[in-house]
Amino acid sequence: DIQMTQSPSFLSASVGDRVTINCKASQNINKYLNWYQQKLGEAPKRLIYNTNNLQTGIPSRFSGSGSGTDYTLTISSLQPEDFATYFCLQHNSFPLTFGSGTKLEIK
Amino acid sequence: EVQLVESGGGLVQPGRSLKLSCAASGFTFSNYGMAWVCQAPTKGLEWVASISTGGGNTYYRDSVKGRFTISRDNAKNTLYLQMDSLRSEDTATYYCARQAGAPFDYWGQGVMVTVSS
Repeated sequence: DIQMTQSPSFLSASVGDRVTINCKASQNINKYLNWYQQKLGEAPKRLIYNTNNLQTGIPSRFSGSGSGTDYTLTISSLQPEDFATYFCLQHNSFPLTFGSGTKLEIK
Repeated sequence: EVQLVESGGGLVQPGRSLKLSCAASGFTFSNYGMAWVCQAPTKGLEWVASISTGGGNTYYRDSVKGRFTISRDNAKNTLYLQMDSLRSEDTATYYCARQAGAPFDYWGQGVMVTVSS
């Protein structure tokens, strides 16, 4: 199984900050990496698919990058509605595996 | 508008069964793979099972193989998860999700399953 190590687990930041969240796969996942945002009590929402493709309707301040085993979600300028938990997902092979999540909190 | 609406959750004793349903609307259901993803209370997300467009190919995480069965009825636009031999560790919110090339672009609101005596 491919293990996804996500960091950091918690992140405290201010509105307007640029933040990055990382996911490291235990083996090459060929850019088959998605990012999701989840707010309390809600279903996850897909932000980015296949490393760097922005989901329709998602603001351009969200971007993704990476290759091989290392992937990054960047939020260029945090907005109040961005404070949530973020997960990565590898879909290179079954079983599909998620990162453990990054809780983004207001500083 | 794409909608996925889960139902069938509840409180069940260990060892018993439960069947979840996910009613899909707003898209051509038979054109998309589908999946179930769960989230234990205050925990992260775990993929449970996936099914191909026609239902001929199914995939499961190891911990549910032989106990859970994913299926679909394309005539009824409905996805199912038959959960047998339930364990306390199966307690979670279960989401159905659509697979459009890359998973999961749309999710249902989730249904809670609690396994407890």
